[in-house]
Amino acid sequence: KQEVTQIPAALSVPEGENLVLNCSFTDSAIYNLQWFRQDPGKGLTSLLLIQSSQREQTSGRLNASLDKSSGRSTLYIAASQPGDSATYLCAVSEEYGNKLVFGAGTILRVKS
Amino acid sequence: SAVISQKPSRDICQRGTSLTIQCQVDSQVTMMFWYRQQPGQSLTLIATANQGSEATYESGFVIDKFPISRPNLTFSTLTVSNMSPEDSSIYLCSAGGGIDYEQYFGPGTRLTVT
Repeated sequence: KQEVTQIPAALSVPEGENLVLNCSFTDSAIYNLQWFRQDPGKGLTSLLLIQSSQREQTSGRLNASLDKSSGRSTLYIAASQPGDSATYLCAVSEEYGNKLVFGAGTILRVKS
Repeated sequence: SAVISQKPSRDICQRGTSLTIQCQVDSQVTMMFWYRQQPGQSLTLIATANQGSEATYESGFVIDKFPISRPNLTFSTLTVSNMSPEDSSIYLCSAGGGIDYEQYFGPGTRLTVT
């Protein structure tokens, strides 16, 4: 059974810092991995998707990497801003069109 | 990308009643998913809804408690039946598509059971 773990559970940083969120999964036979953002009481916003054959994806100040063989992904946020404060969720899918298995999330607070 | 809407956005319901949540996708999709997010927790899949067949439920979730309809390729409903305070959660629907099968989520329905 696939399990997804995210470290740290919570993170508080001053504005402008670069930071890394970690995600690990137990079964490396994944189809893809997605990073989401969730604001309090809201739905999920897809940030980045990495296919199993890819090593990284970038969008603006966000960069996600994937090491499928070791079961790890990282989300790098450059020059953090207070507006980045949210919960960040990592999720994996094991085949095309299949469900997502989520980690517990990292609660990020960026202080101004 | 797919745009997903849900109704209602929130509701407060009494114990023992039922609530039906609607999910609409702006494009045709094969599968839709219903997730539950309990307070302070991550998302757990309730069931997968395929058009034209019965929904597939995850362990711990049963059709009598969470009946699902999927009448066409853009719409699905989830009913939370005989509610108790333990059903207070955010319920989210999702769908995906494209070559990468990126999944998108609706804004969620925040349910409070008193």
